[in-house]
Amino acid sequence: EPEVTQTPSHQVTQMGQEVILRCVPISNHLYFYWYRQILGQKVEFLVSFYNNEISEKSEIFDDQFSVERPDGSNFTLKIRSTKLEDSAMYFCASRPRTTEQFFGPGTRLTVL
Amino acid sequence: DQQVKQNSPSLSVQEGRISILNCDYTNSMFDYFLWYKKYPAEGPTFLISISSIKDKNEDGRFTVFLNKSAKHLSLHIVPSQPGDSAVYFCAARENTDKLIFGTGTRLQVFP
Repeated sequence: EPEVTQTPSHQVTQMGQEVILRCVPISNHLYFYWYRQILGQKVEFLVSFYNNEISEKSEIFDDQFSVERPDGSNFTLKIRSTKLEDSAMYFCASRPRTTEQFFGPGTRLTVL
Repeated sequence: DQQVKQNSPSLSVQEGRISILNCDYTNSMFDYFLWYKKYPAEGPTFLISISSIKDKNEDGRFTVFLNKSAKHLSLHIVPSQPGDSAVYFCAARENTDKLIFGTGTRLQVFP
C-alpha cells in the first residue's frame, strides 16, 4: 500500500541553523501539508500546498518557514534559523481529491 | 484555542468489549470530522470520517456517531482488540483544508 515517507527520522541541530525536512507524498496525491506536534501538545496545522503554491498557512508558519516542491515527488519544509521552540515532531501529509489526509511517520526535530 | 476537545486522556477496555471514544467541538461551522489512530514513533493513521450532513458512518468494527446539536462525536470500536491500543485523535475541518486536532485519548485494550 502506498504511503507517505519522511526523512530524516530524527534531526538534531543547533539553534540558529537552517534545517530542511523532506517528504515524499503518495504519488497520485494533489494536496500536501505540514503539521507539527510539540511534545505533550496537539498536532497543529502549519501549511497546505496545492498546484505549486501555498493555499493556507497558520500563524505559526512565519517568515522563518518555507515549503517547496522542487520536483514531481519531493515536498520539503525549510526552517531558516531554528529556535529552541521549533523542537517538535513534524508530520507531512497528502491527499487525493477526497478529504482524508494521509500522514507520514514524522521527523523529530531537536534544536539545541 | 480549544475548538476540538477530547476530555478523556485515557481509556482502558477489556478485549472483546466496546471502546467508546468521545470528542466535543465548539465550532458549528465544522463540516467534516475524522478519527486518526497513532502508534508511538508513527504518524497518525486515518481510520474513519463523517460529513456533517450525516449522523453515522460505519466501517467494519469502527462506527462514528455525530450529534450536531450537542456538538459531539464518538468513535465506537467493537469488538476491541489488543492491536487497537493506541492514541486516538479526533480532527475537524471547517470548509478549508486544515485539520484541527483534539489532544488525543490513549486507548489500552487488555486481554
